[in-house]
Amino acid sequence: ETGVTQSPTHLIKTRGQQVTLRCSSQSGHNTVSWYQQALGQGPQFIFQYYREEENGRGNFPPRFSGLQFPNYSSELNVNALELDDSALYLCASSLLSSSGNTIYFGEGSWLTVV
Amino acid sequence: AQKITQTQPGMFVQEKEAVTLDCTYDTSDQSYGLFWYKQPSSGEMIFLIYQGSYDEQNATEGRYSLNFQKARKSANLVISASQLGDSAMYFCAMEGLGAGGTSYGKLTFGQGTILTVHP
Repeated sequence: ETGVTQSPTHLIKTRGQQVTLRCSSQSGHNTVSWYQQALGQGPQFIFQYYREEENGRGNFPPRFSGLQFPNYSSELNVNALELDDSALYLCASSLLSSSGNTIYFGEGSWLTVV
Repeated sequence: AQKITQTQPGMFVQEKEAVTLDCTYDTSDQSYGLFWYKQPSSGEMIFLIYQGSYDEQNATEGRYSLNFQKARKSANLVISASQLGDSAMYFCAMEGLGAGGTSYGKLTFGQGTILTVHP
């Protein structure tokens, strides 16, 4: 049990639509990161939020955006969906600190774009 | 920039035997962390073990141990006494650490190794 929950678990969208994926982070964790994992690949870093501000971004276009809320929950929004956006989207939470490190993932949201 | 290389697309092991999954990395960061995750077909990324670049001793967590060889930039995962439930995809990942070893939670992953445990 990681304490990180994601919703929905599966969804199907049409090309051009918009989608919002949600993540509830482990209590006390002040950073949340989102990853995209295409079939047969390792996860790719999309962006990270720390104290509700974007704190780093991978090689993803601006139509990928996010929010982090004061209760440590988070959203990933993708606009103008493309077929290549079909993937598993993973949320990870961690505590920004200098003492040890643990990064926990949720079970992911499977997105299919048709 | 960081890079993780997992050269074994698939590995097979007999139940109760030990298996080593290879991972090499490349980074310009002075301080970094190395992770191993297990991903079953359900998709959840399950944390297994962590090794800091500053740790002199190899990390161990139950049946999992990390064979860390800093000079060779390798961080191999050793699973002892394999079980049927160990069959899954395994990912090696790393993050560069900030000043004072601060973690920012940004991981770079390898391509993964599919482990199959035979009865």
